[in-house]
Amino acid sequence: KAGVTQTPRYLIKTRGQQVTLSCSPISGHRSVSWYQQTPGQGLQFLFEYFSETQRNKGNFPGRFSGRQFSNSRSEMNVSTLELGDSALYLCASSLEWGSPLHFGNGTRLTVT
Amino acid sequence: SQQGEEDPQALSIQEGENATMNCSYKTSINNLQWYRQNSGRGLVHLILIRSNEREKHSGRLRVTLDTSKKSSSLLITASRAADTASYFCATVDQGAQKLVFGQGTRLTINP
Repeated sequence: KAGVTQTPRYLIKTRGQQVTLSCSPISGHRSVSWYQQTPGQGLQFLFEYFSETQRNKGNFPGRFSGRQFSNSRSEMNVSTLELGDSALYLCASSLEWGSPLHFGNGTRLTVT
Repeated sequence: SQQGEEDPQALSIQEGENATMNCSYKTSINNLQWYRQNSGRGLVHLILIRSNEREKHSGRLRVTLDTSKKSSSLLITASRAADTASYFCATVDQGAQKLVFGQGTRLTINP
């Protein structure tokens, strides 16, 4: 089975711009979670989708949003980028809530 | 805020030695999971231990869970250079229904 695929791998944006990150989960996995990883804050939960519905959301401002499509692929969007949004964004899929997560290699976002 | 807190934050040992990392958490859990992350890559799931289990083994890994102390430990025996990575514990929070990660332990195996 192919693993979790995240695109793009690297991204450089300027403040004020918006960005869309993509995630293709493992075939058969309907749950997709997103995490932000920074040296200072560690791994922070953004949100989780299951069957196109957002089931959980972390403590991030409304500039961070996401969606899931009928084929379980997911996208997250960050609008009005700030310098502090520079991070590694990780997507993970799983069979169901609470089961082990399978992570992609992430998208490294740099905001200048 | 993080649910799990790993200790130590960094650990450096010689190849062949055993490495022990600890994790403490705050709320009731369904299960606790350990992950490994190589530099700049995604996390890889290592082992899951349920709240009604006390110990679990997988190859060179041994995980213990003490729900009364809200703590877990990960033991890697006979360490290898390839074990160099960051290790994270993650708890499945019963209330919030999300997987919450600790800050991780950076493990370095010296040849």
